[in-house]
Amino acid sequence: GESVGLHLPTLSVQEGDNSIINCAYSNSASDYFIWYKQESGKGPQFIIDIRSNMDKRQGQRVTVLLNKTVKHLSLQIAATQPGDSAVYFCASGVGAGSYQLTFGKGTKLSVIP
Amino acid sequence: DAGVIQSPRHEVTEMGQEVTLRCKPISGHNSLFWYRQTMMRGLELLIYFNNNVPIDDSGMPEDRFSAKMPNASFSTLKIQPSEPRDSAVYFCASSYLRGHNTQYFGPGTRLTVL
Repeated sequence: GESVGLHLPTLSVQEGDNSIINCAYSNSASDYFIWYKQESGKGPQFIIDIRSNMDKRQGQRVTVLLNKTVKHLSLQIAATQPGDSAVYFCASGVGAGSYQLTFGKGTKLSVIP
Repeated sequence: DAGVIQSPRHEVTEMGQEVTLRCKPISGHNSLFWYRQTMMRGLELLIYFNNNVPIDDSGMPEDRFSAKMPNASFSTLKIQPSEPRDSAVYFCASSYLRGHNTQYFGPGTRLTVL
């Protein structure tokens, strides 16, 4: 069955450094991927998404990389700020219009001032 | 633009009591989801509505849980009777189901059943 997992459950980064959060997925049919950020006491917040026909997508200070060969994606945060401290989830979906998302358990990012 | 709205934000109740959680999805979205989040299991999909119709309720734990969506702008998740193991954060999310679609989450309701 589909599973989405994270290599590192916790990550501590110095303010100003770049952060890289990794995620592995098991279903090779997955074709849509999302990164969410969840701050303490709040709901998951959409950060960026990517489709399987792309291997890179950039947003504001964030970049998602997708490697379909090894079923791996990563979220890169440039110049990490204290406000980036949160739990980051990856999620994957299969097929256009599919409502089901498989979520990873999350990586906690702690930014050291 | 208002996001998904949930109420209450916190609920503390005693075992056996009825609990009703409420959700207002983003205007224009045609899909609504109820999730439960715990430390042990992460995010679990409980039920999915499309155009106000329940499509997939396979994640609803048992008959004590029920969900309704009487119109496009309102949904409820009810637990009757509640049990301590129901303690969790319950999220509502909505999306516009067309092609690949991102789900947008509400702030959640933290439920504690004593």
